[in-house]
Amino acid sequence: AQSVAQPEDQVNVAEGNPLTVKCTYSVSGNPYLFWYVQYPNRGLQFLLKYITGDNLVKGSYGFEAEFNKSQTSFHLKKPSALVSDSALYFCAVRDGRDDKIIFGKGTRLHILP
Amino acid sequence: DAGVTQSPTHLIKTRGQQVTLRCSPKSGHDTVSWYQQALGQGPQFIFQYYEEEERQRGNFPDRFSGHQFPNYSSELNVNALLLGDSALYLCASSGREWGTEAFFGQGTRLTVV
Repeated sequence: AQSVAQPEDQVNVAEGNPLTVKCTYSVSGNPYLFWYVQYPNRGLQFLLKYITGDNLVKGSYGFEAEFNKSQTSFHLKKPSALVSDSALYFCAVRDGRDDKIIFGKGTRLHILP
Repeated sequence: DAGVTQSPTHLIKTRGQQVTLRCSPKSGHDTVSWYQQALGQGPQFIFQYYEEEERQRGNFPDRFSGHQFPNYSSELNVNALLLGDSALYLCASSGREWGTEAFFGQGTRLTVV
């Protein structure tokens, strides 16, 4: 069965500094990997995805993520954090042979002005 | 494009009652998934509907049931409500292409008292 782990409950970063939100996954087949962001009292907004190809994928709002097959990781990154990036971030995985998307427990990103 | 729409946005029910939540998928999407997000947790997969049939189901009791209509809209029904059913219920729609990301609605906040 597929699973996702987000080892950090919260990440604090100063505005203007680079940020990384960690994610590791476990699937039986080929992984489809996603990052979503959630603002208070809102649904989830899609940021980016990895299906195949280039290990570095670029997404919305300047975010990018690096797929590492050997480490089964898909860390979210941004070169320069903004206060408006403060939100709850979810990593998710879909097994290539399955339809449902499984989410991690989330990491709260707090950007300090 | 209206995106994924859910109704109602908020709901308060009493233990033992029944509730129906509604979802209209994004235009062009034919697959609808439902998730339960408890406070401080990641979304948990309830079930997925495609071609008016339940295609997959997560680890939820039979009190949770659903339906998909010919226009791809969907309902989530929960019977015999428990206090523990209080959560944000998210609907997500996706297309047929493998690896496509899911688009989420704003959610329905259900409070059971």
